[in-house]
Amino acid sequence: DARVTQTPRHKVTEMGQEVTMRCQPILGHNTVFWYRQTMMQGLELLAYFRNRAPLDDSGMPKDRFSAEMPDATLATLKIQPSEPRDSAVYFCASGLVGVSSNQPQHFGDGTRLSIL
Amino acid sequence: RKEVEQDPGPFNVPEGATVAFNCTYSNSASQSFFWYRQDCRKEPKLLMSVYSSGNEDGRFTAQLNRASQYISLLIRDSKLSDSATYLCVVNRIYQLIWGAGTKLIIKP
Repeated sequence: DARVTQTPRHKVTEMGQEVTMRCQPILGHNTVFWYRQTMMQGLELLAYFRNRAPLDDSGMPKDRFSAEMPDATLATLKIQPSEPRDSAVYFCASGLVGVSSNQPQHFGDGTRLSIL
Repeated sequence: RKEVEQDPGPFNVPEGATVAFNCTYSNSASQSFFWYRQDCRKEPKLLMSVYSSGNEDGRFTAQLNRASQYISLLIRDSKLSDSATYLCVVNRIYQLIWGAGTKLIIKP
């Protein structure tokens, strides 16, 4: 079965450090999503790309977060500088998305980020 | 009002019982509907798509009511392993909108 692959699975780092999370979407999917989830909150959409073009990153703190999709097989989410409140699980998902209907999204295992 | 709303629960249900929960959505133009299951600190996994005529997958039945704008999930003969958070998902242009989830706890 095709899977979304995320790296790293876990990341512990000190406040102020740069964090880069990577995602390899399922081949053939046209849309990639980045979500964040904390213990207290549901899934929070940070940004998403359709055919590698950023469609919406309004859910992302612009001053420290950036998301890119340099090619069809790689999406990245960077935090610089990181802060303790960024500690969460970050999920990447991919899917086939259209104007009026969507196929379901498939998720990676997530990156568990702890900022000390 | 949130675009997709779910009762957060928790629903505490004895093993073997039937449990149902609903999810309401506000965008009448939505065409795609899904139920996902999420175990603690793991990724959401697709449980089933929801079709207009209703659909069943083993012990799980999903239904869509377009007039009242809600979808439902029914679980029959519940198992301990059904304990999880169930997420309702509805499409908007180019993305899916997620409910906050309903927590289900199956007790022996």
